Amino acid sequence: QSVLTQPPSASGTPGQRVTISCSGSSSNIGSNYVYWYQQFPGMAPNLLIYRNNQRPSGVPDRFSGSKSGTSASLAISGLRSEDEADYYCATWDDSLSGVIFGGGTKLSVL
Amino acid sequence: QVQLQESGPGLVKPSQTLSLTCTVSGGSIRSGNYYWTWIRQYPGKGLEWIGYIQYSGSTHYNPSLKSRLIISLDTSKNQFSLRLRSVTAADTAMYYCARGGYYCSTTSCRLDAFNMWGQGTRVTVSS
Repeated sequence: QSVLTQPPSASGTPGQRVTISCSGSSSNIGSNYVYWYQQFPGMAPNLLIYRNNQRPSGVPDRFSGSKSGTSASLAISGLRSEDEADYYCATWDDSLSGVIFGGGTKLSVL
Repeated sequence: QVQLQESGPGLVKPSQTLSLTCTVSGGSIRSGNYYWTWIRQYPGKGLEWIGYIQYSGSTHYNPSLKSRLIISLDTSKNQFSLRLRSVTAADTAMYYCARGGYYCSTTSCRLDAFNMWGQGTRVTVSS
């Protein structure tokens, strides 16, 4: 069971806005940056959001991240079929002194 | 463009040692700007950070694996490696190497984003 809690699944229709939550605690999300990774079947994860809300070059601005207290969220606006993937949140945990990941959310575009 | 590539046996017997290597191309592993990292993903999808090594040779391991784990660096080959001893079926996973940034406060440094990943290598522990 992951220290960071994500919903196992999320869905939306093309053009909709979808949010994926990631819940942690004061020793991880509450005091450190949050990262989001996107993973397609059979592929390695790919960085989507870093330091809570920053997008690497090449990531569309349809993807945005936010953090409040001990929770974080990934929002995807203008949903597209190619957004169908698994999404993972990650952060540093001060108690573990290491990186922890959420359990992942499978996004379906209906 | 930096690329990472994992290599190693796909099948390891229980109680034996798992050895994997990550070859870095398109850039030097001597760069002090990165933490060279191992991450694994279980068949049920969950991701687990294994540990990292810096250019200096300094390492930092997941406490749950620390007693069985060694991560090392070979700068002459631009590679870093993982050795995990006494494996069990619970170590069956896809193993990824990744390049992580880091940031430091006045008291400590922490891993930043994993901005480059290898394609992964599947390891099964079975007799």
